[in-house]
Amino acid sequence: IVMTQSPLSLSVTPGEPASISCRSSQSLLDTNGYNYLNWYLQKPGQSPQLLIYLGSNRAPGVPDRFSGSGSGTDFTLKISRVEAEDVGVYYCMQALQIALTFGGGTKVEIK
Amino acid sequence: EVQLVESGGLVVQPGGSLRLSCVASGFSFDNYTMHWVRLIPGQGLEWVSLISWNGGHTHYADSVRGRFTISRDNNKNSLHLQMDSLRTEDTALYYCTKDASRGAVAYFDHWGQGTQVTVSS
Repeated sequence: IVMTQSPLSLSVTPGEPASISCRSSQSLLDTNGYNYLNWYLQKPGQSPQLLIYLGSNRAPGVPDRFSGSGSGTDFTLKISRVEAEDVGVYYCMQALQIALTFGGGTKVEIK
Repeated sequence: EVQLVESGGLVVQPGGSLRLSCVASGFSFDNYTMHWVRLIPGQGLEWVSLISWNGGHTHYADSVRGRFTISRDNNKNSLHLQMDSLRTEDTALYYCTKDASRGAVAYFDHWGQGTQVTVSS
């Protein structure tokens, strides 16, 4: 399954919203009703961290300004009000089919 | 607290071998699927391999199948990646990750700090 993210990079003013798109070449909706689409953020100098799992569930400790939506082949990660600590590279990843595959990443920087 | 600590990364020549290890703590290691994921410079993240909770099922990315072998020792809470016939394109930061699923594959809820593998002559 090929994962395509857009945009490649994003420059955002603090306090403004941001949105990242992720599209899969096949539906990620399983027969159990879950979309096997996850979002990760790799902050500079750190390991990746889980943000959103199974399409729309925020991981423990993730601020509520982050939200995930979508189903099937089209997904979106939204940040309602970007903060300086949100800089890094955002990746979507599908876990429906092995081999697991990541999107190419979206680099978010602060203006 | 869940901890995943990788080791074994080195500079190695093309064609060489390396064995990465990951020691886990803070959870019931023998209950969860485990993965190796790598960060390739300038390219992003790539899933490498997974192993089921009891080692009975393993899967590999096409790019490493036949060269890498994943294994685990549940008595020692450890995960391994034997890397043979290394190529320059295997140069990456290798992460050990824990799956949130006990019996299948869902998402990585914890990552290690990574161990650097450099393949160069």
